[in-house]
Amino acid sequence: DVKVTQSSRYLVKRTGEKVFLECVQDMDHENMFWYRQDPGLGLRLIYFSYDVKMKEKGDIPEGYSVSREKKERFSLILESASTNQTSMYLCASSKPGLASTGELFFGEGSRLTVL
Amino acid sequence: AQRVTQPEKLLSVFKGAPVELKCNYSYSGSPELFWYVQYSRQRLQLLLRHISRESIKGFTADLNKGETSFHLKKPFAQEEDSAMYYCALRWPRVSSNTGKLIFGQGTTLQVKP
Repeated sequence: DVKVTQSSRYLVKRTGEKVFLECVQDMDHENMFWYRQDPGLGLRLIYFSYDVKMKEKGDIPEGYSVSREKKERFSLILESASTNQTSMYLCASSKPGLASTGELFFGEGSRLTVL
Repeated sequence: AQRVTQPEKLLSVFKGAPVELKCNYSYSGSPELFWYVQYSRQRLQLLLRHISRESIKGFTADLNKGETSFHLKKPFAQEEDSAMYYCALRWPRVSSNTGKLIFGQGTTLQVKP
């Protein structure tokens, strides 16, 4: 069963802390994504990566950074967490280019609360 | 800018009633449209894509380029259809190399017994 695994399901952090959200996929996908999911706002793309060490900003990258040192792992970093970053974070992966049918495979999500 | 709009936050129907979840997009070209679904305590997953012209779990969706819409329909709702539904757009040639999708705000479908 192919999977995207997010290591932390629930996190509670304090304002100003550095936060790491980890995501691993076992489908050998080139593309990986980080979205945040908020009621009434839907899914908004934070960052995506189309290859190892390659990354591009999405629609809401401010306050976030990412790391892709290995093909299977894509990390989201909050350098200094703020309360407005309290949210559900979803990682996803997909095949690249014309091989992509548009299907993203999602993880179960990481619910982050910043106090 | 490309945008996907789902005007309804919540749609509540009785079991057996028809369902239509609305989705409108703003894009001047020929995008690819998708519906994703998230059942309670499950991960978000693809329901159907317009290019496949398929019916999944009784749901269908037709791309109407004139009205720039991609509404999701089912003639008889079931309780197990209760979930969050997201419409998503991908435009070819620009982002097909990344598979990046733009999602709408989501609609919660509640099917009452």
